[in-house]
Amino acid sequence: QKEVEQDPGPLSVPEGAIVSLNCTYSNSAFQYFMWYRQYSRKGPELLMYTYSSGNKEDGRFTAQVDKSSKYISLFIRDSQPSDSATYLCALILTGGGNKLTFGTGTQLKVEL
Amino acid sequence: EADIYQTPRYLVIGTGKKITLECSQTMGHDKMYWYQQDPGMELHLIHYSYGVNSTEKGDLSSESTVSRIRTEHFPLTLESARPSHTSQYLCASSDETGANYGYTFGSGTRLTVV
Repeated sequence: QKEVEQDPGPLSVPEGAIVSLNCTYSNSAFQYFMWYRQYSRKGPELLMYTYSSGNKEDGRFTAQVDKSSKYISLFIRDSQPSDSATYLCALILTGGGNKLTFGTGTQLKVEL
Repeated sequence: EADIYQTPRYLVIGTGKKITLECSQTMGHDKMYWYQQDPGMELHLIHYSYGVNSTEKGDLSSESTVSRIRTEHFPLTLESARPSHTSQYLCASSDETGANYGYTFGSGTRLTVV
């Protein structure tokens, strides 16, 4: 079993839709949670970062962490074609030397 | 502007050639990483460094080697390229402040060995 599980998609939604992307993890020692966005043929870029259970909002993006369920989500409101990319969750173990463990990524396409 | 640079962006090379993929960052980060990513697949950590003269192998076994002689520079070398080395190679760096545990990634080098 992988430490971090993420639905690979692909996910196709119409413009303006609310998108929910999810990851589950098995090790409760993961304490820092991030979402990266990766456009085709580019490196991943950091979208959201949080270390506590609850919600963190940044514009159209909301990151949600539920440590008791070992479940993290990224919500995108009013999705745009420019949001079409692969979204990767990434987690850091406490005392793990700051090494990220990535999910497999969910490919999202927002259509006009 | 602080950033991380990878060269070349694309490389097509014959089997048996020695290649070096370059990675440089201008952020003064101590920690640097190399990931390998096949199309549509997850990222696999192949090397990392916590500072000058420090290098470690990552979770995925790789025939490549790395060096860290200067803080800003973390090149990856393949002594004899093979078609199985065809992949995208991503370099990243990070600091370790409490406020920002994110990695900054370069744009990657897409390597094709023919």
